[in-house]
Amino acid sequence: SYELTQPPSVSVSPGQTARITCSGNALPRQYAYWYQQKPGQAPVLIIYKDNERPSGIPERFSGSSSGTTVTLTISGVQAEDEAVYYCQSADISGTYVFGIGTKVIV
Amino acid sequence: QVQLVQSGAEVMKPGASVKVTCKTSGYTFTDFYTHWVRQAPGEGLEWMGWINPNSGATRYDEKFQGRVTMTMDTSIRTAYMELSRLTSDDTAVYYCVRKSYHESNGYDFWGQGTRVTVSS
Repeated sequence: SYELTQPPSVSVSPGQTARITCSGNALPRQYAYWYQQKPGQAPVLIIYKDNERPSGIPERFSGSSSGTTVTLTISGVQAEDEAVYYCQSADISGTYVFGIGTKVIV
Repeated sequence: QVQLVQSGAEVMKPGASVKVTCKTSGYTFTDFYTHWVRQAPGEGLEWMGWINPNSGATRYDEKFQGRVTMTMDTSIRTAYMELSRLTSDDTAVYYCVRKSYHESNGYDFWGQGTRVTVSS
């Protein structure tokens, strides 16, 4: 089955930049999405269509894509950004998958 | 405003079935797929499948094939997810989410989640 590969955790100091990668063979052909989940809460969409930000999501969150890897970048990390971040995409058959999630430790 | 309101927590015996309800409002139900996602305690998000509200077509993750049934009632803008032959591994929070027909869009609205506990 199709898999997306993310690191389990990333540590970053406040004000610095955090980058989370997500790799998958179908990513050159399928859009990627990113979700932020804080403890006890439902996930929130923060990036769609590889690099688009929904309204209300701070500009410090950005997405990019290169080949089989997509990257979520958090610029000027704030304490409130400590959360688990999941990438998601689909394979060509219409089946969706999430990465394992990356815990950002501030 | 867009809302997806799910049914309450359930405690089930192993081998039983559970049916989770997702009542929607604030948008045209048939303009969006309904997907289901679950999360076991301390674990990541797991995609279960989707239902197309226009055709009733479904797509399930192979892990749940034969055990999951996703249905809907468009007259009351409600989606359902039934999971059978429950085991302790099915203990999780189950979410319904809406997904645009446009592939570029992600899960912009989520239900509040339904906790299902499977225990003897």
